[in-house]
Amino acid sequence: ELKVEQNPLFLSMQEGKNYTIYCNYSTTSDRLYWYRQDPGKSLESLFVLLSNGAVKQEGRLMASLDTKARLSTLHITAAVHDLSATYFCAVDMVGGATNKLIFGTGTLLAVQP
Amino acid sequence: DADVTQTPRNRITKTGKRIMLECSQTKGHDRMYWYRQDPGLGLRLIYYSFDVKDINKGEISDGYSVSRQAQAKFSLSLESAIPNQTALYFCATSDLPGNTLEQFFGPGTRLTVL
Repeated sequence: ELKVEQNPLFLSMQEGKNYTIYCNYSTTSDRLYWYRQDPGKSLESLFVLLSNGAVKQEGRLMASLDTKARLSTLHITAAVHDLSATYFCAVDMVGGATNKLIFGTGTLLAVQP
Repeated sequence: DADVTQTPRNRITKTGKRIMLECSQTKGHDRMYWYRQDPGLGLRLIYYSFDVKDINKGEISDGYSVSRQAQAKFSLSLESAIPNQTALYFCATSDLPGNTLEQFFGPGTRLTVL
């Protein structure tokens, strides 16, 4: 059974600081997705990582995937208040084409002025 | 206009009532999904459909049923609602293998069962 764990579950950080959110998963997969959710809102796709060593960057966020370690990271550079949200990673089931995503429990990020 | 829409956006119902949540999409995707979100548990897959004739159970299908009326429409029913089905429900769509299989989510339906 595929399990996906994120840590930390809650992250309070100051503006201008850097931090990393970790996403570990338990079985082989080579497709991993990062989503952002604002309170009471839907999920917004941030990154799609489709192979070992994939790295994607958008603004102050950078995501990477290490399939051998079964680990993805979401790095935040010089955080700003607008990045406050809950971030989810989601992993596709083994085989990829099933497209059945297993989600982590999310990381609630609060960026303080 | 939104690519994935859900109706209703909010619903309060009583235990034992039958309710239907509807999802429509204009993205032209064949694959559609229903998830529920509970605090601290992330999103969990209820049912998914890869085309009109293909319906599959997800992690937590008990107490739910679905109908895929057309490529663009996928409905979720609670035959006899119970309080622990109180949650935020999301519909999602994705494209075919060979592409990213990225899932696109609707705005959600907040369901409260009293």
